[in-house]
Amino acid sequence: QQQVKQSPQSLIVQKGGISIINCAYENTAFDYFPWYQQFPGKGPALLIAIRPDVSEKKEGRFTISFNKSAKQFSLHIMDSQPGDSATYFCAASIGTGRRALTFGSGTRLQVQP
Amino acid sequence: GAVVSQHPSRVICKSGTSVKIECRSLDFQATTMFWYRQFPKQSLMLMATSNEGSKATYEQGVEKDKFLINHASLTLSTLTVTSAHPEDSSFYICSAGRPYEQYFGPGTRLTVT
Repeated sequence: QQQVKQSPQSLIVQKGGISIINCAYENTAFDYFPWYQQFPGKGPALLIAIRPDVSEKKEGRFTISFNKSAKQFSLHIMDSQPGDSATYFCAASIGTGRRALTFGSGTRLQVQP
Repeated sequence: GAVVSQHPSRVICKSGTSVKIECRSLDFQATTMFWYRQFPKQSLMLMATSNEGSKATYEQGVEKDKFLINHASLTLSTLTVTSAHPEDSSFYICSAGRPYEQYFGPGTRLTVT
């Protein structure tokens, strides 16, 4: 049973555009929601994370929007660059970063120059 | 951010042999580490939770006698794939958590011939 659903599966964006990736979760006990960026052959790198007591968190060009009532959260990449081309995973866990993560299925982002 | 290392980054072994993968948290102590497995173009699947000083907790369907985990210290966890077979070929990634972040190692590509 997939507890975190991620969409779209793939995304093509023009340079300078906004990339939006969405995730929905089922388990209301989840209270830690990170996003990871993964390049081919590399481990996932933590981009940004949010807890459900806030509705939005921004770090540079990356923003997480969180809707607790809808059980949804999304990643917005502003001014997308070709170097952002990678696979992005949303995840969720119960508790803190010391708990095992449940991952979404991933979104392959391609930013065209 | 914190740094998690893995060794080796790539290993090729013959069917029937055992392979050990090390995961280290370089600049923080981790009482809990996690081992994930990732097939090409797929998401990360949690294999087991490694607990310092106690037995690992395995996810359903993961053979504990095939994937031996030892968490010898607060900075080192090892995964040994015993009697490896071609179907064990995969990308193995470890992670370690701090209170509000979880960091991943660079991964180990295992190829069993």
